[in-house]
Amino acid sequence: QVQLVESGGGVVQPGGSLRLSCSASGFVFSSFGMHWVRQAPGKGLEWVAVTSSDGNNQKHADSVKGRFAISSDSSTNTIYLQMNSLRPDDTAVYYCAKGYGAFWALENWGQGTLVTVSS
Amino acid sequence: SVLTQPPSASGTPGQRVTISCSGSSSNIGRGVLNWYQQLPGTAPKLIIFNTSQRPAGVPERFSASTSGTSASLAIGGLHSEDEADYYCATWDDSLNAVLFGGGTKLTVL
Repeated sequence: QVQLVESGGGVVQPGGSLRLSCSASGFVFSSFGMHWVRQAPGKGLEWVAVTSSDGNNQKHADSVKGRFAISSDSSTNTIYLQMNSLRPDDTAVYYCAKGYGAFWALENWGQGTLVTVSS
Repeated sequence: SVLTQPPSASGTPGQRVTISCSGSSSNIGRGVLNWYQQLPGTAPKLIIFNTSQRPAGVPERFSASTSGTSASLAIGGLHSEDEADYYCATWDDSLNAVLFGGGTKLTVL
């Protein structure tokens, strides 16, 4: 079955950097786009970024553009989110999710990893 | 949020409840909308994709539809375990981004 396991969260100071990882298994990694979605404490869901199935195309939300970068490694079935210039309002649980078809649906989700930006 | 949902909804066991989602021609108007259920303390779960299709394992009492730039999720025969947050979401052609609605907290009384 599909498994998505995020790691790399933690506490970081404002202006710092962090790299999140999402290890995927149970499906043909190179056939599906992969997303990052975040949820601030007590708030709703916010889409962060997507990478295409071949890893050649990425899109990012305006709120993170220029600071965050999504990437993927098909040799290890892993996607990453490099987060730079972190701000307190980046504090959230970060989920990775597997895309589905042309519907922009997020079919499977990981358990999430918490990122706290605080001095 | 660009996709507008009511912040809360409620119903009693066995009732039918609907949750609305309002958008524009660049998102819901494209004809594709997805719905997610997030139980307390858990990751979201896809319950409706491509406007009205249910993934395997999602009960038939969950249904959805769109009309122009509005959409609705209906839950028939409400169960206590349906108490959760519900989000609509889709791609927006103008913003070049996936958008989520603000979420609706469903309470089963």
